[in-house]
Amino acid sequence: DGGITQSPKYLFRKEGQNVTLSCEQNLNHDAMYWYRQDPGQGLRLIYYSQIVNDFQKGDIAEGYSVSREKKESFPLTVTSAQKNPTAFYLCASSITGGRGEAFFGQGTRLTVV
Amino acid sequence: AQSVTQPDIHITVSEGASLELRCNYSYGATPYLFWYVQSPGQGLQLLLKYFSGDTLVQGIKGFEAEFKRSQSSFNLRKPSVHWSDAAEYFCAVAHGSGNTGKLIFGQGTTLQVKP
Repeated sequence: DGGITQSPKYLFRKEGQNVTLSCEQNLNHDAMYWYRQDPGQGLRLIYYSQIVNDFQKGDIAEGYSVSREKKESFPLTVTSAQKNPTAFYLCASSITGGRGEAFFGQGTRLTVV
Repeated sequence: AQSVTQPDIHITVSEGASLELRCNYSYGATPYLFWYVQSPGQGLQLLLKYFSGDTLVQGIKGFEAEFKRSQSSFNLRKPSVHWSDAAEYFCAVAHGSGNTGKLIFGQGTTLQVKP
């Protein structure tokens, strides 16, 4: 079945560490997105990519980095520069040139310990 | 700047009662509008979408939504709520020049269903 797989489901980070969240899709979508979800704030866009080897900052990119070396994969690194990384992270994909209909993964909950 | 507002943070309805979740958007052009549902600790599932044409759109699980341009609204409705509908609901609009597919989300409405 086609879909988006995020791993791990739960992730714990110590202060000062970088961690990488995985996102893989087999929907053959060109565009991929990372959103951050905090209680009462909806979802906010971190980074997005419309094509391999290209990506753009979203509304809250500070403290995060991404890469897009393969069409299927769009990993997100939460760096030590992100001061408040505890959140639920959602990866999504869509057709480039489509109308924004995005398909979401099951999310990764990151907690700083 | 584009924005989406869901005025109701939390709504409680009795099972079998009707439901309406409100969504207002701010967008210069004709928007692409969506409603997503999220169960606790899960990803988002698309309920329905509006691109153009008929302003009343049908979605999955018996949900429908009506686009009203004059009111900048896209309210979600269901005639009879089931206990399994308890979840968080997000309204979203697609924006961006060149149609990047980026979504702007409202803050979400948590639906509780009483037996």
